[in-house]
Amino acid sequence: EVQLVESGGGLIQPGGSLRLSCAASGFTVSSNYMSWVRQAPGKGLEWVSVIYSGGSTYYADSVKGRFTISRDNSKNTLYLQMNSLRAEDTAVYYCARFISDFDYWGQGTLVTVSS
Amino acid sequence: SSELTQDPAVSVALGQTVRITCQGDSLRSYYASWYQQKPGQAPVLVIYGKNNRPSGIPDRFSGSSSGNTASLTITGAQAEDEADYYCNSRDSSGNPLVFGGGTKLTVL
Repeated sequence: EVQLVESGGGLIQPGGSLRLSCAASGFTVSSNYMSWVRQAPGKGLEWVSVIYSGGSTYYADSVKGRFTISRDNSKNTLYLQMNSLRAEDTAVYYCARFISDFDYWGQGTLVTVSS
Repeated sequence: SSELTQDPAVSVALGQTVRITCQGDSLRSYYASWYQQKPGQAPVLVIYGKNNRPSGIPDRFSGSSSGNTASLTITGAQAEDEADYYCNSRDSSGNPLVFGGGTKLTVL
């Protein structure tokens, strides 16, 4: 059974850093395209980043230069390193497997950026 | 701002048919996928590709596309279909992935 479990969210001050994790089971992260999608409170879905099986990475303009997506093949885990956090980064962050569409999603982890 | 445009809200009477649309230039080149999201839950894929449903999605859900517009149709809407629906596709400007703003479906 495919499962994605995010962790690492919490309350962080503006300008701070946080690393989100997404532990996968039932499939191999390194053989798939993996993505992060976020949803601000009461707002719609926003694609954040993707890492392809070959290792190429892409980012939304809103996070480019501040966020880094990566994976640990030995732990079958996806990460999102978030630096220079802003109030507008406050959201539930979901990891999702992406083939040509997002077929499996985690339950999400809440990141709140506030002083 | 999103490069896929959806109506913010749509309503349908119980048992009737409703179409939710998504417009964008990238839809001329790529199929849209559709996601259902209920309050407090993660999104769920309901339609992908030309018109494919993942296992467990009722056959009252269908998808279609014409020109720059993709559509999600629910034939015989049920109370449990009340949710937010999002379309997703690639962005013609180069971003690999973009979501529409979402449509809130109310079943009356």
